[in-house]
Amino acid sequence: DTGVSQNPRHKITKRGQNVTFRCDPISEHNRLYWYRQTLGQGPEFLTYFQNEAQLEKSRLLSDRFSAERPKGSFSTLEIQRTEQGDSAMYLCASSLDGAGDGYTFGSGTRLTVV
Amino acid sequence: AQSVTQLGSHVSVSEGALVLLRCNYSSSVPPYLFWYVQYPNQGLQLLLKYTTGATLVKGINGFEAEFKKSETSFHLTKPSAHMSDAAEYFCAVSEMDNNDMRFGAGTRLTVKP
Repeated sequence: DTGVSQNPRHKITKRGQNVTFRCDPISEHNRLYWYRQTLGQGPEFLTYFQNEAQLEKSRLLSDRFSAERPKGSFSTLEIQRTEQGDSAMYLCASSLDGAGDGYTFGSGTRLTVV
Repeated sequence: AQSVTQLGSHVSVSEGALVLLRCNYSSSVPPYLFWYVQYPNQGLQLLLKYTTGATLVKGINGFEAEFKKSETSFHLTKPSAHMSDAAEYFCAVSEMDNNDMRFGAGTRLTVKP
C-alpha cells in the first residue's frame, strides 16, 4: 500500500491554458474524491466517484472542470482555459466505502496560474 | 447541509502544555466527525474519527476528542504538546456516510519551546 499518489506536485501555467492532474488511489479503495484548498481555508468538495461512476459534483465544479475515472482505477481532473482564481491546492482522497472509514489523502497538486 | 466551525484560526501553546482545539458542528442527522492534520505542502492525515459508540475517541500521536451531542462539539485535546505537533488541524463532518465531507477553515497550532 503506497497511499494515494498525485502528479504533478506543482504546476505553473499561463492563464487560458489547459491543465490535467492525475490521482492514483489506494488500489482496493472504491471511492475517490477531489477537493480544492485555497490558502488559509479548509478543503472544499469538488466531486466524487464510486468505481468509474461520477456520482456527485459540487456547484464549485464549473463547466471548465472535468473529472474522469476510467476503469475505476486512477482519476484525472482537467481544467480548461485556466483562470487566476483556479490557483489552489487540488487534493485527491480515496476510501474503501464511505466517509465512516475516513479518507486517505494524497499530497496534492499545487496549481499556480500566472 | 452539514457544516463545521473551528473556533480560533491560530492557537499557540508552550511545549508540554495542554492542547485544546475547538470544533462545533451543525448536522440534521447523526454525524460522523473527524480531525485531520496537515503539515506544510502535504495532504491531510486522519488523526481520529467518531462514527458511533464511545464518545471519547483516541487517535494517533496522543490526541483524543470527545463527541458531545448536547453541545454539538468535537474538541481535540492532547495533554502535553510536542514541537512536532505544530501544524494545521482541520475538523470535518459527514452526515451518516454520505459523500460530501465538509471541513472547517482550520486551526494553525504553534508550539513554543
